[in-house]
Amino acid sequence: DIVLTQSPALAVSLGQRATISCKTNQNVDYYGNSYMHWYQQKPGQQPKLLIYLASNLASGIPARFSGRGSGTDFTLTIDPVEADDTATYYCQQSRNLPFTFGSGTKLEIK
Amino acid sequence: EVQLVETGGGLVQPGNSLKLSCATSGFTFSTAWMNWIRQTPGKRLEWLAQIEDKSNNYFISYLESVKGRFTISRDDSKSSVYLQMNNLKEEDTAIYYCTHNNPFAYWGQGTLVTVSS
Repeated sequence: DIVLTQSPALAVSLGQRATISCKTNQNVDYYGNSYMHWYQQKPGQQPKLLIYLASNLASGIPARFSGRGSGTDFTLTIDPVEADDTATYYCQQSRNLPFTFGSGTKLEIK
Repeated sequence: EVQLVETGGGLVQPGNSLKLSCATSGFTFSTAWMNWIRQTPGKRLEWLAQIEDKSNNYFISYLESVKGRFTISRDDSKSSVYLQMNNLKEEDTAIYYCTHNNPFAYWGQGTLVTVSS
């Protein structure tokens, strides 16, 4: 199985940039696409898709969110962070079954 | 508007069974590949199963650790997907979500399954 590793927590000041990383133990690229996706989950809510295929903004997601990376190293950037961005962020790979998720990075806004 | 509504969760004793349902609307269910994902009390997300559409012969994939205990199925006439869970264990306690396609753009609100004696 592909293992995704995320840092557990991050604290960023309001209006600054947050960078959340996700590293995989296997390459998730295939025929020019990186099969890495990012989700945001607020307490009591279901996860929401933010970024798909590493760098594509999902529908309705503000441009403050962006994603980049390839191979085994990926990042989600929020710039500038707003108070409402307090949440846990998960990466997920769909290169191979079983689909797997990172353990999540909890973002605190200072 | 896409909607997915999971039902069927509850409190069940270890070793017992439970069947979850997910009713959907707002998209073409018959061509969607449907998935079940769960979130543990520790907030870990775990993909469980996927069922493809008729054109792919309803091909099914499972997480190895639930294979043989969990069964995913679908009814295209009802735009619904199901998860039959047998021989439940305490570690199956989680919120269970259904989603469609990949990446998982739409999620239901989830249904809570608690396995405890």
